[in-house]
Amino acid sequence: GENVEQHPSTLSVQEGDSAVIKCTYSDSASNYFPWYKQELGKRPQLIIDIRSNVGEKKDQRIAVTLNKTAKHFSLHITETQPEDSAVYFCAATPPGYALNFGKGTSLLVTP
Amino acid sequence: EAGVVQSPRYKIIEKKQPVAFWCNPISGHNTLYWYRQNLGQGPELLIRYENEEAVDDSQLPKDRFSAERLKGVDSTLKIQPAELGDSAVYLCASSLYSLTGIGNTIYFGEGSWLTVV
Repeated sequence: GENVEQHPSTLSVQEGDSAVIKCTYSDSASNYFPWYKQELGKRPQLIIDIRSNVGEKKDQRIAVTLNKTAKHFSLHITETQPEDSAVYFCAATPPGYALNFGKGTSLLVTP
Repeated sequence: EAGVVQSPRYKIIEKKQPVAFWCNPISGHNTLYWYRQNLGQGPELLIRYENEEAVDDSQLPKDRFSAERLKGVDSTLKIQPAELGDSAVYLCASSLYSLTGIGNTIYFGEGSWLTVV
């Protein structure tokens, strides 16, 4: 089955800096790559996703890049704010299967 | 529009006792998932339904876990008997079935927090 590795497990940045979280996947058939944000005690919520027919997608301060050849994808958050502090999960799925999640990155943005 | 609804939100039980969780997906979503999330970890799939059919239950510990989605809408996940290691958050999620074969957005409920003592 699909195996998703996520790095780093913790990340601390100063407000206004950029944050980058990286994930690799094992199944070359995977074609959908969402990113979820989970605040303490809350449900995971989708913040951005990318499908295998594009290499990059941007939504305001958040962007995701996908390298299918290398089987890795990354989340980029620019101009970080304290409210960006949360745990971020990447996921991947081949067609017809459920999402496989990484172990998460705990992001702390300090003022 | 209501999101994915789960109950109970919190449950504390003694080991060897049974427990059940209920989930009502977003209206019209025919795919329903149960995930388990241990502290500090990502969600792990237990079972996935397409309508009333369980299409992936390979990760469900069938000796003590069971699930049903009889009418293809709401679902129940049961653990009997519970063990200490079952303490986790049980997340229900739903999505529309993907006709293109490329994933659709999965929406999660708030989760049912289980503590087994």
